[in-house]
Amino acid sequence: AQSVTQLDSHVSVSEGTPVLLRCNYSSSYSPSLFWYVQHPNKGLQLLLKYTSAATLVKGINGFEAEFKKSETSFHLTKPSAHMSDAAEYFCVVSAGFQKLVFGTGTRLLVSP
Amino acid sequence: GAGVSQSPSNKVTEKGKDVELRCDPISGHTALYWYRQSLGQGLEFLIYFQGNSAPDKSGLPSDRFSAERTGGSVSTLTIQRTQQEDSAVYLCASSLEGLSSYGYTFGSGTRLTVV
Repeated sequence: AQSVTQLDSHVSVSEGTPVLLRCNYSSSYSPSLFWYVQHPNKGLQLLLKYTSAATLVKGINGFEAEFKKSETSFHLTKPSAHMSDAAEYFCVVSAGFQKLVFGTGTRLLVSP
Repeated sequence: GAGVSQSPSNKVTEKGKDVELRCDPISGHTALYWYRQSLGQGLEFLIYFQGNSAPDKSGLPSDRFSAERTGGSVSTLTIQRTQQEDSAVYLCASSLEGLSSYGYTFGSGTRLTVV
């Protein structure tokens, strides 16, 4: 069985400061891990994915995530937040031909 | 097509009526998924198709929910005798062969409101 835990339901940052959204996963198999972003009233957009290649994964809009097997973590980071980053972020796990399993989401708030 | 297309984008229906939601996946994607996102909730898996068969329909919440896929392409999710708790955004995603490393592409969803 697979699961993800997003440790924060809300994260608030100021524009220009770093972003850290935390995610821990559980998987019986070698997992694929994803971060998706959902802006208000918009669809889900893939930010980045880890599929057993490099452990540091770079995504769109300056986001990156590091796969740490020893810590079963896949935290999402960005050096400098922008107002347009305000959205809901979902950490997702899957393995092989298994379905995607979503975390409960973290709402990122960015203040001027 | 270039992306996953869902229709209608919005649907308001009266309690007790039946509704059909349509998903047109990316051409060539053999795997298709339906998820549901209720207000303030995460995404809930409903059903997975590989080609025209559904090896995993474990997420369908009741026998009022059914889905089919024809020609390995378009899928229809049907909700019979809708209830207010069915109100949610229904999302469809498709993937090449269903292998997770290929990633999934989501449609924009159908917002269903049962009044």
